Amino acid sequence: QQQVKQSPQSLIVQKGGISIINCAYENTAFDYFPWYQQFPGKGPALLIAIRPDVSEKKEGRFTISFNKSAKQFSLHIMDSQPGDSATYFCAASINFGNEKLTFGTGTRLTIIP
Amino acid sequence: DAGVIQSPRHEVTEMGQEVTLRCKPISGHDYLFWYRQTMMRGLELLIYFNNNVPIDDSGMPEDRFSAKMPNASFSTLKIQPSEPRDSAVYFCASSLRLAGVNEQFFGPGTRLTVL
Repeated sequence: QQQVKQSPQSLIVQKGGISIINCAYENTAFDYFPWYQQFPGKGPALLIAIRPDVSEKKEGRFTISFNKSAKQFSLHIMDSQPGDSATYFCAASINFGNEKLTFGTGTRLTIIP
Repeated sequence: DAGVIQSPRHEVTEMGQEVTLRCKPISGHDYLFWYRQTMMRGLELLIYFNNNVPIDDSGMPEDRFSAKMPNASFSTLKIQPSEPRDSAVYFCASSLRLAGVNEQFFGPGTRLTVL
């Protein structure tokens, strides 16, 4: 019930295209859904996050779409650039008094010229 | 701020040896997390602390693993005895609980190789 399932495992997108990564969860108590970005040799870093009271959040080229009824959320990267090549992790947490994040398995994104 | 500091960055040891990983969280943060990352299992939470007190250690794989946080600016993760299957990248992260915010700041990680 604590799992967050992420797909695809790897993704190759052409420069300028749209990258889409999907996550699904079971625990309806989750109320915070962040995405983390990790470059080789570095620790993950927060990219963007959403709470379930909104269906979409956009920050620059990055958008989270959230479907509460389906218990799914996704990351969209518009106009993908080679510098976006990294591993992306979705996560979820029960935030009231609990700071534990449950991470998805990660998606290795490669943007090709 | 220097961010989360971890040491050593790389550790190579032989099976059976004791390994100690160190972490200095961001000053003022009240949560500290230890994660392990492998290709097979991804990013796993091992244990986390709030105000130096362990809150959830359900991710600690075995009694060979132990973690301490003697004060707000220092934590250790110890493996004794180490085994080849402990080879992984170990991350420390810290956060400050603010209303509506739950951002964890990760350190650069310690790459552990157990021969």
